[in-house]
Amino acid sequence: GQQLNQSPQSMFIQEGEDVSMNCTSSSIFNTWLWYKQDPGEGPVLLIALYKAGELTSNGRLTAQFGITRKDSFLNISASIPSDVGIYFCAGKANTGNQFYFGTGTSLTVIP
Amino acid sequence: ETGVTQSPTHLIKTRGQQVTLRCSSQSGHNTVSWYQQALGQGPQFIFQYYREEENGRGNFPPRFSGLQFPNYSSELNVNALELDDSALYLCASSLLTGRAFFGQGTRLTVV
Repeated sequence: GQQLNQSPQSMFIQEGEDVSMNCTSSSIFNTWLWYKQDPGEGPVLLIALYKAGELTSNGRLTAQFGITRKDSFLNISASIPSDVGIYFCAGKANTGNQFYFGTGTSLTVIP
Repeated sequence: ETGVTQSPTHLIKTRGQQVTLRCSSQSGHNTVSWYQQALGQGPQFIFQYYREEENGRGNFPPRFSGLQFPNYSSELNVNALELDDSALYLCASSLLTGRAFFGQGTRLTVV
């Protein structure tokens, strides 16, 4: 199945720094979701986006639905140790019922 | 807590055996999707059930089958297990076009 390209693959940052990651697709999507997954757990929904250009925040997290509808971005401000985990983007097209997931960005926050 | 519960949490099976995984969806949700997540990868869509009918299927062979019950809980059945079926199996609950909330997953190991 299709997988979205997510970058960077991994990040090592100092506590307090800001983080940016993105996700790109060859297809147009009408929904973008961002998840965080801890080891051995299911993904936890962070932010949902439904409209091109939409910018949505959830605490220190901000995500944007790209204008081309083929990409999305997630920013984390002032990172803290509990931000550690793997972040996945997921997109859904207008046709079909499945969400396609990105390859994940592994975030390590150094105290 | 997403309100999505999966059982069992861990399972070890022998190649060739059959396995049934269970998922209780979040209250009010009528749609359940199943995903397979191999180690180090993003989740891959297996299929979706909406109001007890299969409503979309990913690139998985027929030995992966499912059921949805009147209370919207669901089962994933895998026959003739292969070593490559070892993965984290995730269930996601949603309304048909809404955001998906995941359970904690079932870790299946095939030996």
